[in-house]
Amino acid sequence: DAKTTQPNSMESNEEEPVHLPCNHSTISGTDYIHWYRQLPSQGPEYVIHGLTSNVNNRMASLAIAEDRKSSTLILHRATLRDAAVYYCILRDVYSGGSNYKLTFGKGTLLTVNP
Amino acid sequence: GAGVSQSPRYKVTKRGQDVALRCDPISGHVSLYWYRQALGQGPEFLTYFNYEAQQDKSGLPNDRFSAERPEGSISTLTIQRTEQRDSAMYRCASSANRVYEQYFGPGTRLTVT
Repeated sequence: DAKTTQPNSMESNEEEPVHLPCNHSTISGTDYIHWYRQLPSQGPEYVIHGLTSNVNNRMASLAIAEDRKSSTLILHRATLRDAAVYYCILRDVYSGGSNYKLTFGKGTLLTVNP
Repeated sequence: GAGVSQSPRYKVTKRGQDVALRCDPISGHVSLYWYRQALGQGPEFLTYFNYEAQQDKSGLPNDRFSAERPEGSISTLTIQRTEQRDSAMYRCASSANRVYEQYFGPGTRLTVT
């Protein structure tokens, strides 16, 4: 599986934008970039995913570099409820094999200051 | 609608006892997954079901661990002869198919004393 690299931790202030980086230099052409987050004492929850183009949904935006070797999850206005561990995960949804499983790294612990 | 539910939420057992952890996936989700999560780590894959068929059990640590999903809905993860190293959070997830986003349950915190 292609690996991802994320900072261990980041800090933000409430109501400010947050940019969470992820490096994936060995990404393959059919790997989708997925983001999940895990709030304290809860299970992981899906945030967003993309292949090549930038993506927006109600939770966040995903900016993907042109060479796809890195991506950034953007929270436009952080709230205290966004404090969580954010995981960047690659999934090859076109091939067979074990693309059903999510391979979590250690993620980035986001702290949001009031 | 109802999300993924797991029971019990907490289980304390003595070493050597068997435990059964239950997962009730989102209705209609054909894919079901079990993960294990140690403190401070991301979840680690254990096993995957497509309907009632267990298609991947490569993540089960040893033969004391087994899982079933006999009618393609509720699943049970069983750990026989529990050991202290089995203590962890066990999480179940389900998805509409194998490549869609996964929805996780609240987990079962297992403590083996």
